[in-house]
Parts: sequence; C-alpha cells; structure tokens
Amino acid sequence: AQSVTQPDIHITVSEGASLELRCNYSYGATPYLFWYVQSPGQGLQLLLKYFSGDTLVQGIKGFEAEFKRSQSSFNLRKPSVHWSDAAEYFCAVGALSGAAGNKLTFGGGTRVLVKP
Amino acid sequence: DVKVTQSSRYLVKRTGEKVFLECVQDMDHENMFWYRQDPGLGLRLIYFSYDVKMKEKGDIPEGYSVSREKKERFSLILESASTNQTSMYLCASSPWDRGTGELFFGEGSRLTVL
Repeated sequence: AQSVTQPDIHITVSEGASLELRCNYSYGATPYLFWYVQSPGQGLQLLLKYFSGDTLVQGIKGFEAEFKRSQSSFNLRKPSVHWSDAAEYFCAVGALSGAAGNKLTFGGGTRVLVKP
Repeated sequence: DVKVTQSSRYLVKRTGEKVFLECVQDMDHENMFWYRQDPGLGLRLIYFSYDVKMKEKGDIPEGYSVSREKKERFSLILESASTNQTSMYLCASSPWDRGTGELFFGEGSRLTVL
C-alpha cells in the first residue's frame, strides 16, 4: 500500500524568502504525485502533478516540485513567498489501477505561516 | 466554473443521531470521494464511487456508509454518530481518466458530535 510522509508539520517563513516543503512517498510502482493547497476555510486546490517525463514540474502560483526517484521524494519549492501563500499544503500519491485510478493517499500536511 | 457543493458547512449533532452529508458536483464526473480531514493525519479516504450505485471502501470505512443514486450526488451517512467522528469531511470528484488523479474538492463540512 502507498503512503506519504510530510516531515514538517509547521513552517514559518518571511515574506519574500524562499520556501521548500518536503514530501517522501512509498509506492511499489512508478508513482503519480501531487501537491494540493488548502487556504483557510477552503477546499483543496491542485498546485501541480507529476506523471512522467521531466522531473521538475511547474505549477500554479509560482510553485515547482522536483521528483527524485532515488530519494523517494517530491519536494515543493517557491523562490519568493507572498503573504497569500499562507495555507496548508498536502502531498499525495496516486494509485493507478482500473476504477481506483484516481484514488489518492495524502500526507499529513504542512501548515505554512508567512511573517511580514 | 467547476463546482463541488457540500450542502452543510457546519453541523452539530448528538451521539447516536443519524447524520447525512450531501455532496453534488456539476461536472458530470464519474468518480466521487469522501475524505475525512484531521489535524496531523491529513486526508483519509472513507469511501469512493466510480459509477451510480457503485461504491468501494476506502481506508477508514468503519462507522460510515454511502449512497450514490444519481451521478451528480454522493451522500455520506453516519448511522449512529459518535464523538470520534467529529471532524472535517471533504467531498471530491474526478473524471474517469486512468491515473490523471486531479480531484476537485468541495469546501468541506465540519461536523461536531456532542
């Protein structure tokens, strides 16, 4: 069974500084990997996804993530954080099989606080 | 604009009550999901459905059931609510497209069981 670990529960970053959120996964085959963001009081929104090909993936809102198979990691980065990036971020791995093709397993989430 | 609507944003129920959480999507998606979100645990899959009247258990189905009588509507049922079911419940939908994985989420229903 697949699993996802996000080692950092909370991260505080100053506005304008860079941000990196860690994600490690466990999955027996080639993973489908995702990052979602949840702003306060909102549902989850897809930031980016990796299926195959280029291991550096660009997403919305200036985010990118890098897939490293050797480290079983899919870390999310942003070069310069804005106050509106304060939110909770979830990494997820997807199962690929038949009707369960969209079944995602989520990590515990990382809450990002942005200092002015 | 695509939309997943959860009819109740906040509910307060008493132990032993039957609880219905409703979810409607307007995107003609085949797949629908119910997740539970708890601090530090992320989202955990309760049930999902890939077609009308079809359902499969997720990782934590105990104490829950679901109903999908129409393609656009997926209901989560707590037959006899307990305090440990106090949580945020998120509904999601997706088209049937092997592995693309993008889920579209509702805003959530926060349930408190007293």
